Amino acid sequence: KNEVEQSPQNLTAQEGEFITINCSYSVGISALHWLQQHPGGGIVSLFMLSSGKKKHGRLIATINIQEKHSSLHITASHPRDSAVYICAVEGGPTGGADGLTFGKGTHLIIQP
Amino acid sequence: GAGVSQSPSNKVTEKGKDVELRCDPISGHTALYWYRQSLGQGLEFLIYFQGNSAPDKSGLPSDRFSAERTGGSVSTLTIQRTQQEDSAVYLCASSPLRSYNEQFFGPGTRLTVL
Repeated sequence: KNEVEQSPQNLTAQEGEFITINCSYSVGISALHWLQQHPGGGIVSLFMLSSGKKKHGRLIATINIQEKHSSLHITASHPRDSAVYICAVEGGPTGGADGLTFGKGTHLIIQP
Repeated sequence: GAGVSQSPSNKVTEKGKDVELRCDPISGHTALYWYRQSLGQGLEFLIYFQGNSAPDKSGLPSDRFSAERTGGSVSTLTIQRTQQEDSAVYLCASSPLRSYNEQFFGPGTRLTVL
């Protein structure tokens, strides 16, 4: 079973700061997902990546397959970015997908 | 059309009763996933469907849990003889293909077992 670890568990920052959330996993994967969940809200997929780097607006996600590590960056953070960010992995040594294995999430608060 | 929908949005039941949770995936999505989010366990995978078949049921926590999907569309998750530890938010997600695609999540059903 894949173990997914996220850090930090909680992060409070000031508006405008550059944010980094880290995710590491124990077993080789086929894809990694970054998800966002607002308080009382649903889950939204931000990125799915299997190599390299993806960018969407102020969000950037990177993955290093050899090191089994991914980072989510937020540039020019804003209070509306306050949410729980969840890393999840898919696939493994046997190949194929059987649903996502999730980290425990990073609770981000951006103060004005 | 619309995104993934789930019903009911909230369900309160008494211990020992059976409950059915429904998921309507995005039209045309062949893959459908059920997850559970509880305070103690975080998010966990329950089961996925490719079309109407569920190749892997190992994520279901006990034999009181079952799921089916008909017509490659709507899915129902059934919990028999509910227990208090079944209280959680049950989430459904769908994806155009089985593997390595973005998953679109529904709003969830909050189940409370008294």
